[in-house]
Amino acid sequence: DVKVTQSSRYLVKRTGEKVFLECVQDMDHENMFWYRQDPGLGLRLIYFSYDVKMKEKGDIPEGYSVSREKKERFSLILESASTNQTSMYLCAGSGRRANTGELFFGEGSRLTVL
Amino acid sequence: DAKTTQPTSMDCAEGRAANLPCNHSTISGNEYVYWYRQIHSQGPQYIIHGLKNNETNEMASLIITEDRKSSTLILPHATLRDTAVYYCIVVANAGGTSYGKLTFGQGTILTVHP
Repeated sequence: DVKVTQSSRYLVKRTGEKVFLECVQDMDHENMFWYRQDPGLGLRLIYFSYDVKMKEKGDIPEGYSVSREKKERFSLILESASTNQTSMYLCAGSGRRANTGELFFGEGSRLTVL
Repeated sequence: DAKTTQPTSMDCAEGRAANLPCNHSTISGNEYVYWYRQIHSQGPQYIIHGLKNNETNEMASLIITEDRKSSTLILPHATLRDTAVYYCIVVANAGGTSYGKLTFGQGTILTVHP
């Protein structure tokens, strides 16, 4: 089975800390995505990447950065965490040659910033 | 991508068919209809997609109206494990860098009752 793995299911961080959320996929997929999900707001796209070392801003990139040094790994970075970044973070992958809208999601990382 | 409209919530009895509607009246010719679901505390899961013909797989059936302005996802024999939020998404299967960038709305909360 294809798999997208997020490094941590639950994290608690303090305001101002630097936070790394890691995502690894074993599908050899070119495309990877980071979303956040909040009650009443649904899933919102933060950043995505179509290839190694490539990144594109999504709808809400402010306060975040990403890194894609290897094809299988896509990291989301909060340079200085703030309480409004408390959320569920979801990583997803898809193949460029596959059905465009078929994304494979990880289980999610629930981040609490105190 | 075209905007979609779904009911906020629906109920279904276990063993009966669940019919989830979606309105996408502004859909354009190159846009596909995708359905995902999200079970509590998990990442979204792809269900099915279609362009203009009805589609069926092991999970569900997708009925798209002839004018393509609406569609219905059918779970033929709903079980308690089908309780989830169901998302209808319209996306263009175009080439280049638009691949896989999905916009999730609020979805429909389906509750399957014993």
